[in-house]
Parts: sequence; structure tokens; C-alpha cells
Amino acid sequence: QVQLVESGGGLVKPGGSLRLSCAASGFTFSDYYMTWIRQSPGKGLEWVSYISKTDNTMHYADSVKGRFTISRDNAKNSLYLQMNSLRAEDTAVYYCARVWRSGGCMDVWGQGTTVTVSS
Amino acid sequence: QSALTQPASVSGSPGQSITISCTGTSSDVGGYNYVSWYQQHPGKAPKLMIYDVSKRPSGVSNRFSGSKSGNTASLTISGLQAEDEADYYCSSYTTSSTLVFGGGTKLTVL
Repeated sequence: QVQLVESGGGLVKPGGSLRLSCAASGFTFSDYYMTWIRQSPGKGLEWVSYISKTDNTMHYADSVKGRFTISRDNAKNSLYLQMNSLRAEDTAVYYCARVWRSGGCMDVWGQGTTVTVSS
Repeated sequence: QSALTQPASVSGSPGQSITISCTGTSSDVGGYNYVSWYQQHPGKAPKLMIYDVSKRPSGVSNRFSGSKSGNTASLTISGLQAEDEADYYCSSYTTSSTLVFGGGTKLTVL
């Protein structure tokens, strides 16, 4: 069935780096834009970044621009988020999601992976 | 990239109807018919309930409906049921080619 599975979360010190992965299955990965969304503890959803199907056009939220890099490997059906210069406010559950249609609606979500930035 | 504005909470009794508003600007909600609504139960991933302002994905109950007027979108849930109790988030595409979420609304079914 259509599925997204995130991995790579964990505890990291402020200023450190982490790379999240999202493995897709059950659909043609290269046919879809993909996106990362995060949710800080007890808070709402925050869009982080998205990447286009194959030409690797990327967009970022201002809060992560210059620190995070989104990428994808269509041969491996995988999405990535490289997070550098991490801050305490980056602590959150990070979800990957499939962008279903123009306009950014997200119809398939992973279960999330937790990133904790703390000394 | 300011978050869209939603009420923090709404409530209703079983069988009643409720409406959740989502207010943005002409650069997001008012600029496109690309408003989506998501339902999130505690500890779960969000679920798409409405896309393109008023369209329902397959499998979503027709008790859920969406609309938009100017810079404000709305989600209406009719015939409230206990399982509708959850957090609801709106989202919109923006003129900066980014996405923005609302702050979320906690729905309590009394």
C-alpha cells in the first residue's frame, strides 16, 4: 500500500547536524512533489520545505532557509532533509508528505520522526 | 510567512454543525483556490480532509465541507460525531511558492 516511513531522528546538540530520510513505497515516487512538515511539542504544524518531481526545484520556510537542505533520490524512492546548525527551536516531530496536486495539498503522510535539539 | 489565523478552539454537541475559520491575506488564502484542511488526532499524523477549498478526497465523509470568501476559508462539519474530536489545520499555497499552515483549532465534541 501507499506508505511513507521517516527515519534518522534523534538527540543532537545545538549547532549540530542531522539527516532525515523518508522511504516511499506503493506509488511512483518520481511522479510527485514531496514535502517536509514539522510539529513542535504541543504546537501546530509548520511547513518546512518542498522539492519538485525531478528538476529539484526547492523552496524553504524562512525559519530554516540556509540551514536545511531538501533532496531526493528517485532511483531509491527516498526523500531527505539535511539539517545543519540546529537550534533548540528545531525540536519537533518531522513528517514527510506527498504533495498530491498543484497548490500543495498533502494526501499521504508518514508517521513522523522525532528530532530533539538539546545540550 | 505569517501563519494563517484560526480560532484556538471550537465545540459542539453531537448532531450539531460547527464551522472553523481560517483567515489569511491576498498573498495566500485570497490569492489562490489552494486551501486544504487536515484533521489530526492525538499522537497521529494529519489526514487530508478538504483540498482546493471545497473538494473532498475519496473516503472522507460528506459531513465535511469547505468554502472561501475573500481572504477567509471555512471548514464546516455537520452532524458532529464523537470521532470528529481532533485538531484541525488549514493550509494554503502562497504567492512566494511556499506553503503556510494555520495555528490549528481544537474541536471538542461535548
